[in-house]
This record gives sequence, structure tokens and C-alpha cells, in this order.
Amino acid sequence: QVQLVQSGAEMKKPGASVKVSCKASGYTFIGDGISWVRQAPGQGLEWMGWISPYNGNTNYVQKFQGRVTMTTDTSTNTAYMELRGLRSDDTAVYYCARGARPIDFWGQGTLVTVSS
Amino acid sequence: EMVLTQSPATLSVSPGERVTLSCRASQSVSTNLAWYQHKPGQAPRLLIYGESTRATGIPARFSGSGSGTEFTLTISSLQSEDCAIYYCHQYNNWPSLTFGPGTKVELK
Repeated sequence: QVQLVQSGAEMKKPGASVKVSCKASGYTFIGDGISWVRQAPGQGLEWMGWISPYNGNTNYVQKFQGRVTMTTDTSTNTAYMELRGLRSDDTAVYYCARGARPIDFWGQGTLVTVSS
Repeated sequence: EMVLTQSPATLSVSPGERVTLSCRASQSVSTNLAWYQHKPGQAPRLLIYGESTRATGIPARFSGSGSGTEFTLTISSLQSEDCAIYYCHQYNNWPSLTFGPGTKVELK
């Protein structure tokens, strides 16, 4: 069965970077893109962007351009999302998810807390 | 920018009742709309995509309808385990995908 297993919770100071991992199993990793979606406390879901493990192509939401980098390692079927220049309003649960049109399976989420 | 609006924000219903959730898009998304169920502490779950296709393993009490700018998710007979937040999601406007703000369904 499809599984996306994410790395554990992170606590970061403002200005730092965080890198969240997402290990995929149960399907052909290069056959589907990986989306990253976040949910701030008390807020809704926000799509951040997408990466194709097949060719590394990415699409980032404009508000994250310049701060986010999505990568994949096809040797380990793992996707990564790095967010730099963290601010307090980046505190959120970050989800990786398979696909984009539509997203069909989600990871369990990784809580990233940004606090001084 | 594509905006999705969901109504109502919160719905209080009794078990066995029929539930109708609405999602409106600021511009046409054709049939490129999905619905997700999200419970606290869990990953969101895909319910409906392509406007009316149930995802694998989704009970038949969940159905979707609509196209263009107006969409509806219906739960024919609410079960207690259906209490959750429901999000609509448009994937027509690539690469600017958006989610609605959600509708919380709770037991009366």
C-alpha cells in the first residue's frame, strides 16, 4: 500500500532553515509527483509546490519562491522540502503528498515550530 | 488568483442526517475539483475527485456533484466517524493550486 513517512517534529529559531524528508513506498516513486502542503495552527491547507521525481522539475507557489527548495533522491525514494529564512508565521504542520492533480495520498505531517 | 469559498463554515448535524457541503470557485475549474476529509492529528484523506469520482475505499454515502464554479459534497447519512473538516481543492489552475477554507462537520 502507498505510504509516505515523514521526518519528526522540528523546533527552529527565526532565520534558520528546516529540511523535512518524506520517504515513499508502495508505488513507483518516479511515476508521480510530490506536493508539499502546509497547515498553520487554526488555518486551512496551503499548497506550497510540487516536484517531479522523474526529472526534478519543480513548481513553487510565488510566495515561497526564493525560500523553498524541493528535491528528491530516487535511490532512496525520498523527497525533501527545505524552507529557509524561517519566521514565526512559518510555524505549521508540513505535509508531503503524492500527486497534484489531484493529490491522492498524504504523509502523516511534520510539525515545524519557529520560536526564539 | 483563484479563490475557493466553502459554506457553511460549521455544520452541526445528528447521526443519520443528510449533509450537504458547498464549494464555490471564483472562476471555472471545469471538473478539476477534489474533496478531502481531515481529522485532527491525521493526514487528510481524498474522498472525491474529478468532481464526482469516489476515491478507493470511500463509502458510497459520500458523493460529489457540480462543475464549473459550483460544487457539492453530500453525505447521505452522517456517521459519527464522519465528523471532520472537509476541504475542497481545485487543481485546474496549474500551477496555482488552492484549497477552500474548509467546513467543519460536528455532531449536534
